[in-house]
Amino acid sequence: ETGVTQSPTHLIKTRGQQVTLRCSSQSGHNTVSWYQQALGQGPQFIFQYYREEENGRGNFPPRFSGLQFPNYSSELNVNALELDDSALYLCASSLDRRNYGYTFGSGTRLTVV
Amino acid sequence: AQTVTQSQPEMSVQEAETVTLSCTYDTSESDYYLFWYKQPPSRQMILVIRQEAYKQQNATENRFSVNFQKAAKSFSLKISDSQLGDAAMYFCASVNYGGATNKLIFGTGTLLAVQP
Repeated sequence: ETGVTQSPTHLIKTRGQQVTLRCSSQSGHNTVSWYQQALGQGPQFIFQYYREEENGRGNFPPRFSGLQFPNYSSELNVNALELDDSALYLCASSLDRRNYGYTFGSGTRLTVV
Repeated sequence: AQTVTQSQPEMSVQEAETVTLSCTYDTSESDYYLFWYKQPPSRQMILVIRQEAYKQQNATENRFSVNFQKAAKSFSLKISDSQLGDAAMYFCASVNYGGATNKLIFGTGTLLAVQP
């Protein structure tokens, strides 16, 4: 079975631009969560998608938005990038929203200059 | 609110020795899961061990074991016979069972160095 795949692996953007990060969930998993991991910190929950609907959101502004597609892959969109958005963005999938076995991707390293 | 605290930013252990990483947590829920994840330079979070709060028996996975003290809200990870490949960042995390959103709450991590 395939694991979680994230793309791109690295990205450099300019302040004020918009960015889209992608995540392919593990086969059979219908729930995807996104986390932001700033340098030297633990991951922070951004939001979760379950069967194409947002199923909970952390303390992030509305310029962080997402989508989940019928094949359960997902996108994270960030508008009006700020320097503090520079971080590793991790995607994790699970079998179901009530299942606590998570598979993480290797993340996208976003640098905002 | 759920919180997870790791008070050891860095730890070091000699190869083949034993090391214990500390974690405390706080939650108002009675049912929850606790995890230890390993994050090597490849960046992918790898599950080391998981503990269900309702289970009194401490979880073990080969060289990895936990000391789960529910009343003290403590969840430490013991690594026995440390190997060079154990060097990584280790995160303690919790999730409340049965909530509408199964979001993980992470600590700030402990960087483990293994000396040959």
